[in-house]
Amino acid sequence: AQSVSQHNHHVILSEAASLELGCNYSYGGTVNLFWYVQYPGQHLQLLLKYFSGDPLVKGIKGFEAEFIKSKFSFNLRKPSVQWSDTAEYFCAVNARSDSWGKLQFGAGTQVVVTP
Amino acid sequence: DVKVTQSSRYLVKRTGEKVFLECVQDMDHENMFWYRQDPGLGLRLIYFSYDVKMKEKGDIPEGYSVSREKKERFSLILESASTNQTSMYLCASSPTGVAGANVLTFGAGSRLTVL
Repeated sequence: AQSVSQHNHHVILSEAASLELGCNYSYGGTVNLFWYVQYPGQHLQLLLKYFSGDPLVKGIKGFEAEFIKSKFSFNLRKPSVQWSDTAEYFCAVNARSDSWGKLQFGAGTQVVVTP
Repeated sequence: DVKVTQSSRYLVKRTGEKVFLECVQDMDHENMFWYRQDPGLGLRLIYFSYDVKMKEKGDIPEGYSVSREKKERFSLILESASTNQTSMYLCASSPTGVAGANVLTFGAGSRLTVL
């Protein structure tokens, strides 16, 4: 079974600062990787995903993530955050062999961006 | 636009009551999921269904059951609610994808409080 570890539970930073959220997973096989975001009062939505190909993937709102297979990592980055990036961020993984797409989620990282 | 609708946003129930959480999706997705979301624990899979009348246990099925009589509807049932089932419940759906490469779409969530 897969497991997902997110390094930080809470992150507080100022507008224009750079953001990097760590995510590591444990699974011996091939995986698909996701970052989901939950803005205050809103439902969980997809930020970006990696299935194959270029390990640097770009998502919505200027976010990107890099898949490093040797490190079992899929870290999320944004060069310059805005107040509107305040949200909870979840890393998730599923096994490529699982056609049903069951996701295993990390514990989440609450990000607060101060003006 | 894919839509997953959860019938109740907030519920308050008493210990021992039977609770039904309803979820409907309008995109003809084969797969439907119930997760619970708790602070510091992320999302944990309770049950999922890959077809009408088919169900599979997730990581934490104890104390829950599900029903999928129609493709668009997936119900989560708490036969006898307990205080440790106080949580946010998230329904999601996805199409069956190649190599697990499918994206979950989530509902807004149902916050259940058991007194």
